[in-house]
Amino acid sequence: DIVMTQSPLSLPVTPGEPASISCRSSRSLLHSNGYNYLDWYLQKPGQSPQLLIYLGSYRASGVPDRFSGIGSGTDFTLQISRVEAEDVGVYYCMHPLLTPTWTFGQGTKVEIK
Amino acid sequence: EAQLVESGGGLVHPGGSLRLSCAASGFSFSTYWMHWVRQVPGKGLVWVGYINSDGSETECVDSVKGRFIITRDKSRNTVYLAMNSLRAEDTAVYYCARSATGYYYGLDVWGQGTTVTVSS
Repeated sequence: DIVMTQSPLSLPVTPGEPASISCRSSRSLLHSNGYNYLDWYLQKPGQSPQLLIYLGSYRASGVPDRFSGIGSGTDFTLQISRVEAEDVGVYYCMHPLLTPTWTFGQGTKVEIK
Repeated sequence: EAQLVESGGGLVHPGGSLRLSCAASGFSFSTYWMHWVRQVPGKGLVWVGYINSDGSETECVDSVKGRFIITRDKSRNTVYLAMNSLRAEDTAVYYCARSATGYYYGLDVWGQGTTVTVSS
């Protein structure tokens, strides 16, 4: 099975400043169709997870454009251009490839300094 | 508006069984794969398994394989997670989520979760 490794696991942030989270996969997530099968999710405190980014770089509907996903193959990054207070929570990367199962990263807890 | 609502959680003894339901509304249920994801309180998300759009294919993680079964009923727009031989380590909040067939758009709709506690 594919192993997803996130870093850092804890990220104190300052509102208005940029932030980034790394996700590394044990196998390439670049499919033969040209898409990278890597998602990013945010779970705000007390809530269900919500989709931020799918296929590596595509923002989900309603997601602010301060969130962006970059990377290819085995190395991916979620970038927040200017952190807002409402962005606190735990961020997860996940690969949606049946190899044979899907896997989440360990999660990165983002909190305000 | 697309919505998923889980139910069926509760307290069960080790070795017992439970069936979770996830009722879908506001979208064409039969065109989506359905997934179960669980989360031990204070821990990370774990993908448990999925069922494809017509119910002909399922897959589960090794830790529940042979004990958990995923099915769906298109007449009720509902997906089920039948859990047998439950263990303390199955204690978690269980979420259902959907993903589109054809072009992939992520797990774009999630339920609110239902809590399963396995304890004597």
